[in-house]
Amino acid sequence: AQSVTQLDSHVSVSEGTPVLLRCNYSSSYSPSLFWYVQHPNKGLQLLLKYTSAATLVKGINGFEAEFKKSETSFHLTKPSAHMSDAAEYFCVVSSVDRGSTLGRLYFGRGTQLTVWP
Amino acid sequence: NAGVTQTPKFQVLKTGQSMTLQCAQDMNHEYMSWYRQDPGMGLRLIHYSVGAGITDQGEVPNGYNVSRSTTEDFPLRLLSAAPSQTSVYFCASSFRQGANAEAFFGQGTRLTVV
Repeated sequence: AQSVTQLDSHVSVSEGTPVLLRCNYSSSYSPSLFWYVQHPNKGLQLLLKYTSAATLVKGINGFEAEFKKSETSFHLTKPSAHMSDAAEYFCVVSSVDRGSTLGRLYFGRGTQLTVWP
Repeated sequence: NAGVTQTPKFQVLKTGQSMTLQCAQDMNHEYMSWYRQDPGMGLRLIHYSVGAGITDQGEVPNGYNVSRSTTEDFPLRLLSAAPSQTSVYFCASSFRQGANAEAFFGQGTRLTVV
């Protein structure tokens, strides 16, 4: 079975400072992992995904995430926050179980990122 | 490029009323799904479909029905609305059912049941 834990429900940073959003996962097999972003009153947009290739994954808007199997973590980082990064971020694991649940997405509860000027 | 289109964007229902949330995608995706989003809960899967004529239940299917008569459309029906169904509903699609498949989401339907 798969599950995702986002360790912080809210993160606040000042513009220009680094961003760290933490995510731990549980999966029976090597997982596929995603980060999605949701701006207010909008749908979800894919930031990046890990699919068992390079462990450091680069995404859009300067975000990246590192897959650490030993720590079962997939933390999202950005060197310098921008006001436009303020949004809710979801860490997602995709089921690799064979059969009807293959590809089913399991969402973390979300981290609300606030960026102060 | 329409992507995934949901209608309506907002809806208020009275308890006991029924309605259908519409979802259409123009990317020829096989896999479609419905989620509900509640504060602090992330997104939870209601129903999904791996192709026309094939549907299955997700984590929270009670009170909802789906059908998939075409590849493009995947409507979600609320049979008898309850206040507990007040939520934001998202439809998503992906090219195939697979662990690496990126999901594309609609803009959401904000439903209030009074």
